[in-house]
Amino acid sequence: NAGVTQTPKFRVLKTGQSMTLLCAQDMNHEYMYWYRQDPGMGLRLIHYSVGEGTTAKGEVPDGYNVSRLKKQNFLLGLESAAPSQTSVYFCASALRGFRPEAFFGQGTRLTVV
Amino acid sequence: DQQVKQNSPSLSVQEGRISILNCDYTNSMFDYFLWYKKYPAEGPTFLISISSIKDKNEDGRFTVFLNKSAKHLSLHIVPSQPGDSAVYFCADSTQGGSEKLVFGKGTKLTVNP
Repeated sequence: NAGVTQTPKFRVLKTGQSMTLLCAQDMNHEYMYWYRQDPGMGLRLIHYSVGEGTTAKGEVPDGYNVSRLKKQNFLLGLESAAPSQTSVYFCASALRGFRPEAFFGQGTRLTVV
Repeated sequence: DQQVKQNSPSLSVQEGRISILNCDYTNSMFDYFLWYKKYPAEGPTFLISISSIKDKNEDGRFTVFLNKSAKHLSLHIVPSQPGDSAVYFCADSTQGGSEKLVFGKGTKLTVNP
């Protein structure tokens, strides 16, 4: 029972490089979310999806793109990485309705130099 | 706009005593409110939730209270244990509308033996 799996767990990028973070869930959840966690800032919502083929902007969407081509996967892309995107990224999924709790992955620590 | 505020960055209590963590919210739509616990280098884990139609929800040592008139919720941990030392986040899950899941900045709880 894997739950929510994030790939990779660690990554170092050079400024201007691109990369994609993969989130996979095996709980058949409709909702998926990407957050970033920075010291003193808590968990800030980047983008989210309420179902396959849908995406929406969160609190801090600039510099990121997302895709939800399959229900179980939610991809977060950085087209041109900047040092300000150095952070720990968390993916989460939720059933919603009367079960609003979201389940989180273990995180991806990204450093942009 | 949907906002969640945790105004205390840290809290320190003695083992066996009560821990009270506070959270204020701004949204007035029908919501669930959730509490998460996070250890270093791990993803957040769901702790307890409460529907906005209720005043209290209890699960073992954890109780969440909701004061709708003050738009305030609190998490009580009784008795506190050293293993409860972690960062606690409150979150607002809007039902209908934007469907976002928005978190506060967190409160670091330290339970001293």
